[in-house]
Amino acid sequence: KNEVEQSPQNLTAQEGEFITINCSYSVGISALHWLQQHPGGGIVSLFMLSSGKKKHGRLIATINIQEKHSSLHITASHPRDSAVYICAVRGLDKLIFGTGTRLQVFP
Amino acid sequence: NAGVMQNPRHLVRRRGQEARLRCSPMKGHSHVYWYRQLPEEGLKFMVYLQKENIIDESGMPKERFSAEFPKEGPSILRIQQVVRGDSAAYFCASSPLPPDTQYFGPGTRLTVL
Repeated sequence: KNEVEQSPQNLTAQEGEFITINCSYSVGISALHWLQQHPGGGIVSLFMLSSGKKKHGRLIATINIQEKHSSLHITASHPRDSAVYICAVRGLDKLIFGTGTRLQVFP
Repeated sequence: NAGVMQNPRHLVRRRGQEARLRCSPMKGHSHVYWYRQLPEEGLKFMVYLQKENIIDESGMPKERFSAEFPKEGPSILRIQQVVRGDSAAYFCASSPLPPDTQYFGPGTRLTVL
């Protein structure tokens, strides 16, 4: 079993829909990261969380340390949100990655 | 402030050749991480370095792979005697402090013929 599990693996949505991507982990962590990988391959760091909730524009990330679970929400989704979203947890120093959720938003 | 820079962006090598991948961290960042993404797979940690020190190389293959981050100049990931299975995207990330956000470079796509 992977130490970091994401669901769903693939997600399609119509423009404007509310999107939720889930991440569960089985190891102790100091922080959890959400990353976005564009179709061209570049990786952007969206959030780093150790507790609670963070918001940036239409993106919201939450984490429940007791349940070892995090969610990434996208409100009013747009075709430019189409990308792979990756959850990664940090132990002492290195990141352990989930396999990613491929999101496609259609107009 | 320029972002993390990696070069080359694309590298083609024949089996048995050496591949050298370079990573220049963001200004002020002294921590560098290398990750590998095999085709159709997720990212995997390879090595974590500070200036002149390897902190964690638990993700590095035992043979043919080495990494350095000298006092001056970029971090180098070196792969000797490349094989087809080394074909992947290699990403570098840097941070000012370990618990801080990591900033990723654009990656080097290595193709071994």
